[in-house]
Amino acid sequence: DQQVKQNSPSLSVQEGRISILNCDYTNSMFDYFLWYKKYPAEGPTFLISISSIKDKNEDGRFTVFLNKSAKHLSLHIVPSQPGDSAVYFCAASGGSSNTGKLIFGQGTTLQVKP
Amino acid sequence: DTGVSQNPRHKITKRGQNVTFRCDPISEHNRLYWYRQTLGQGPEFLTYFQNEAQLEKSRLLSDRFSAERPKGSFSTLEIQRTEQGDSAMYLCASSRLTTTFTDTQYFGPGTRLTVL
Repeated sequence: DQQVKQNSPSLSVQEGRISILNCDYTNSMFDYFLWYKKYPAEGPTFLISISSIKDKNEDGRFTVFLNKSAKHLSLHIVPSQPGDSAVYFCAASGGSSNTGKLIFGQGTTLQVKP
Repeated sequence: DTGVSQNPRHKITKRGQNVTFRCDPISEHNRLYWYRQTLGQGPEFLTYFQNEAQLEKSRLLSDRFSAERPKGSFSTLEIQRTEQGDSAMYLCASSRLTTTFTDTQYFGPGTRLTVL
């Protein structure tokens, strides 16, 4: 069963506009959520995280929103830049495991057009 | 800045051969994870070490797979009798277990395995 889902395989936005990437989860016991960015042939790079006790976390151009009742989180990138073009993964941890292992979504490919 | 390093970056092998990958975590990190990623999917958890103890293994980790972390430093992942289905990117991540809420995992560049 896919506990973390990213239903949009791809997203294309114009440079300078907002990019919104979405993620849904099914396990209400997840208590920590992260976004990673991945370029081809590289490992995932940590972007931003949020704990379940918050509903928003901001870091520069990146903001993550968490809606626990809807089991939904989103990543906003403003303004989008061509260098943001990459695959973005959301991940969750917690639940029945206390090892911190991450459950990942399938990823969304973001293309930012100049 | 010494991040997580993995060697080799690429490995091509023939079916039935054994392969071993190495991961060197960030030096003060006591948690180490292995993940596997196939095309079009997100990384999938394989196994977890806290210091030198292997505390969790995924059911994805068949008995052909073995991982070690001697002395709680670097880790190795060995695959015996490789199969074509083992072809994937193998990712290592590390983090520091703290008494605060949660820890963030930092990933290495991965080892790309191709089984012919």
